[in-house]
Amino acid sequence: GNSVTQMEGPVTLSEEAFLTINCTYTATGYPSLFWYVQYPGEGLQLLLKATKADDKGSNKGFEATYRKETTSFHLEKGSVQVSDSAVYFCALDDRGSTLGRLYFGRGTQLTVWP
Amino acid sequence: EPEVTQTPSHQVTQMGQEVILRCVPISNHLYFYWYRQILGQKVEFLVSFYNNEISEKSEIFDDQFSVERPDGSNFTLKIRSTKLEDSAMYFCASSDRQGREKLFFGSGTQLSVL
Repeated sequence: GNSVTQMEGPVTLSEEAFLTINCTYTATGYPSLFWYVQYPGEGLQLLLKATKADDKGSNKGFEATYRKETTSFHLEKGSVQVSDSAVYFCALDDRGSTLGRLYFGRGTQLTVWP
Repeated sequence: EPEVTQTPSHQVTQMGQEVILRCVPISNHLYFYWYRQILGQKVEFLVSFYNNEISEKSEIFDDQFSVERPDGSNFTLKIRSTKLEDSAMYFCASSDRQGREKLFFGSGTQLSVL
């Protein structure tokens, strides 16, 4: 079946530190992979995506590379800011299923201190 | 950017009562979804809705659940007889023709069943 396993949180970092949030997946087909972010009081927002192996998604300084050989899609940022404090969700979309059904991880709470 | 609106933000109800969670999707979107997240667990897909009918539902979405788009703007989730285990954050989402490429989520309704 389809599932996503995400690094347990919470993660606490100082400003300008390097961030990695691990995500691995299991899928029956060839999924698209996503990172969504939820800022306090807001809905989940698409942060970045990758639709095939070796693709790199990037946005707002965040990056993640679709690694088929390790079934991973780790989120990285070289220098975090206080404004990056949020919950980050890794997700996959098995394109063999009805469109729009996403499989999420549990979310990782990131707190960045000044 | 347009947004998905959910009301109420918090709902408290007694076990066995009916609740209706309301959502206003983005106006030109065609596909609508409900997800939920029980505290500490993964975000789970409940149901997708297109062209005034359910496209797909998960095993969670049993006869106690129903969805409706009553007036062309609202999208509701009804739980007929709530159980303690229905306590969760419920997220509404919508997407346009691109569907799986980008879902827009509301900020959620926290349902507490006492």
